[in-house]
Amino acid sequence: QVQLVQPGAEVKKPGASVNVSCKTSGYTFTAYYMHWVRQAPGQGLEWMGKINPNDGSTRYAQTFQGRVTMIRDTSTSTVYLELSSLKHGDTATYYCAREDIKGFDPWGQGTLVTVSS
Amino acid sequence: QSVVTQPPSASGTPGQRVTISCSGSGSNIGRNIVNWYRQLPGTAPKLLIYRNNQRPSGVPDRFSGSKSGTSASLAISGLQSEDEADYYCASWDDSLSGRWVFGGGTKLTVL
Repeated sequence: QVQLVQPGAEVKKPGASVNVSCKTSGYTFTAYYMHWVRQAPGQGLEWMGKINPNDGSTRYAQTFQGRVTMIRDTSTSTVYLELSSLKHGDTATYYCAREDIKGFDPWGQGTLVTVSS
Repeated sequence: QSVVTQPPSASGTPGQRVTISCSGSGSNIGRNIVNWYRQLPGTAPKLLIYRNNQRPSGVPDRFSGSKSGTSASLAISGLQSEDEADYYCASWDDSLSGRWVFGGGTKLTVL
């Protein structure tokens, strides 16, 4: 079955960068866009952007332009999210989510990124 | 604030029918499809309704979606205790170079 596996947690200091992985299996990696969505503690969902694993092209939400990078590794069927210049407000659970014809399905289990000095 | 608005909370008793609204604008719901996601406590969101009113396989027909103009709604009939969760609507927004926007979420409590 389709699986998206993410690490459980990361702790970073303000100003640092975080790299979150999303390892996929169970489907043709290059055939589906992958999105990243984050959720601050007790808050709603916020779309960050997407990557086309076929050619590596990306589209980022304006909110994160200049701070976010999404890349893919076709040899391991893994996508990565890098967020730089971290602030306390970036503390959130970061989800990868595959886009199919229906919508975002499935989602990874999420990676809690804590930004703390 | 979210550009798509949902009530922060809703509630009902077992067996009741509840409706959750999702209000947007002409740049999102007014011209694009709406999807609904359900998030059980401590878990990742899961697709519940797609393309306004379609159910993925495995989703009971107790769940239904609709859209009219710049608003959408999710209806849950025959409410069950396991329906207690957060519900989010989502739509593509054509402003700001394009982005997916989510409603702020509605916490459904089964009394």
